[in-house]
Amino acid sequence: GAGVSQSPSNKVTEKGKDVELRCDPISGHTALYWYRQSLGQGLEFLIYFQGNSAPDKSGLPSDRFSAERTGGSVSTLTIQRTQQEDSAVYLCASSLANGTPLHFGNGTRLTVT
Amino acid sequence: DAKTTQPPSMDCAEGRAANLPCNHSTISGNEYVYWYRQIHSQGPQYIIHGLKNNETNEMASLIITEDRKSSTLILPHATLRDTAVYYCIVINQGGKLIFGQGTELSVKP
Repeated sequence: GAGVSQSPSNKVTEKGKDVELRCDPISGHTALYWYRQSLGQGLEFLIYFQGNSAPDKSGLPSDRFSAERTGGSVSTLTIQRTQQEDSAVYLCASSLANGTPLHFGNGTRLTVT
Repeated sequence: DAKTTQPPSMDCAEGRAANLPCNHSTISGNEYVYWYRQIHSQGPQYIIHGLKNNETNEMASLIITEDRKSSTLILPHATLRDTAVYYCIVINQGGKLIFGQGTELSVKP
């Protein structure tokens, strides 16, 4: 069956440009999460959606980062005016409901030059 | 959420059981123990979780001590494909997963 799909798988962008990362969760999963993983580091929580609402945005590192989810399905993570320290793998996960096991995609590797 | 402590790395011979320990001495009564693993260049993969009782599924077994202050993930017959970073996470039902540094398991031929 289809798992969590993320696109693009790789993105190289110049410093100062905006980027959009997309996540297609597993069909029927109401909860959606964004994490990022810098080279050689652990996973850092960014934001959590329940349906289209984001009750926990506590992990977004700055106001350059935003995310939305529409139709209780696809989510987009937007990074404005990218900086080199934004380079990381951005991982999306979904779960059937809050509190059930997460299913992760394979991430988008973002490189800011 | 309670903090966990895991050894940074472990080795295991192929075909033998891999026993990965986790300490969570400050766990509270309503917190679950979850295990995930991350194979290189992939997203984390859910393995198993439990509250009080030992659990077993097709991937692994989870042994939780009676006082719930520690647990062990057991891969009964490790293969080379089990080489990964294994994360032990303690979480309230409905809480968000906070990943630590995990244990890097190397399965050797």
